[in-house]
Amino acid sequence: DSGVTQTPKHLITATGQRVTLRCSPRSGDLSVYWYQQSLDQGLQFLIQYYNGEERAKGNILERFSAQQFPDLHSELNLSSLELGDSALYFCASSVADTQYFGPGTRLTVL
Amino acid sequence: AQSVTQLDSHVSVSEGTPVLLRCNYSSSYSPSLFWYVQHPNKGLQLLLKYTSAATLVKGINGFEAEFKKSETSFHLTKPSAHMSDAAEYFCVVSASYNNNDMRFGAGTRLTVKP
Repeated sequence: DSGVTQTPKHLITATGQRVTLRCSPRSGDLSVYWYQQSLDQGLQFLIQYYNGEERAKGNILERFSAQQFPDLHSELNLSSLELGDSALYFCASSVADTQYFGPGTRLTVL
Repeated sequence: AQSVTQLDSHVSVSEGTPVLLRCNYSSSYSPSLFWYVQHPNKGLQLLLKYTSAATLVKGINGFEAEFKKSETSFHLTKPSAHMSDAAEYFCVVSASYNNNDMRFGAGTRLTVKP
């Protein structure tokens, strides 16, 4: 158990809908990272927050957004969902140079 | 800029035989290197990391990796495979000063035959 928690574990929704994924980092970790893992694209970095501020952006679509709250938990918002957004979404938190991953949220868009 | 190449997409070994998962990296800076393991429908678990200390790094579950700067490699090994080692393994590189920019390899699927 990495200490990073993610909810929900599974999410099934329809195209065009909006969902929110939640991540709680390990105690004391200020950085949170979001990743998308799909069969065709592999593991892709989406975005990083550090102590409430956006720190780095990767291959994140404009339909996706994230935020980190004062208690350091983070939410990833996915809107106008398409079939191709079906994937595993991971968050990770870090101290120094090592990231610890949560168990992921499996999103299925029908 | 950095990148990582996992040389085998799939490796199959028999239980009790050695495991070798190959990884080459490219980095403009002094790199940090990691191996993560992902079991089916699970998150990524850190196996081991190299951050410019000893070049032979020991990790969990009997795995180890050797950093070879001259070969730009960071291969993962285990002397004797166990059935529970069957999983996907990811080699990751980051610039040691900036762990925002972690680059993941495409992964190697390890199959262990009884």
